[in-house]
Amino acid sequence: RKEVEQDPGPFNVPEGATVAFNCTYSNSASQSFFWYRQDCRKEPKLLMSVYSSGNEDGRFTAQLNRASQYISLLIRDSKLSDSATYLCVVNLEAAGNKLTFGGGTRVLVKP
Amino acid sequence: DAGITQSPRHKVTETGTPVTLRCHQTENHRYMYWYRQDPGHGLRLIHYSYGVKDTDKGEVSDGYSVSRSKTEDFLLTLESATSSQTSVYFCAISASAAGANNEQFFGPGTRLTVL
Repeated sequence: RKEVEQDPGPFNVPEGATVAFNCTYSNSASQSFFWYRQDCRKEPKLLMSVYSSGNEDGRFTAQLNRASQYISLLIRDSKLSDSATYLCVVNLEAAGNKLTFGGGTRVLVKP
Repeated sequence: DAGITQSPRHKVTETGTPVTLRCHQTENHRYMYWYRQDPGHGLRLIHYSYGVKDTDKGEVSDGYSVSRSKTEDFLLTLESATSSQTSVYFCAISASAAGANNEQFFGPGTRLTVL
């Protein structure tokens, strides 16, 4: 079983719609959680950190469920520019900040 | 955007030749990381550094070495490149390893092809 698993998609989303997807992680001792966005042939860019209480940044909402060991990302009012691969990232070790990346969920927003 | 540059951005080399990739940061962050990204595997950690001359192995360190003689530079060396090392290499930096400010920021990547 992979340490961090994501549905690869693609999620085909009409412009203006809401899309949500999850990521599961295997190590219950994981301490930090992030969503990164990666455009084709570009570097990953931090979208948001995920906090225990859940957090929102504009149209993006992230949730953490420690009991079930998953994090989620919801995108409201999808824009064409939201088309990208979204990487779920988990810090499995506090020492050294060694992140483990999921394989990514591809989102395609269409007019 | 965080001040991270990588050089070269693209390189084609032959099997058996040595290759050095450079990561340079202007953020004065303590932690630096080298990852490779391959289809079907996602991003995997090769080596990381937690200070000048302090480095450690990551998940896929075989065939790679690193050096950090200055805070701003982190070098990745393939002593004898193999075709399996064809990949996109990303450098990342972070201010801390845990708690606040442990987010990692990535450089633009180096696309390496080993023939």
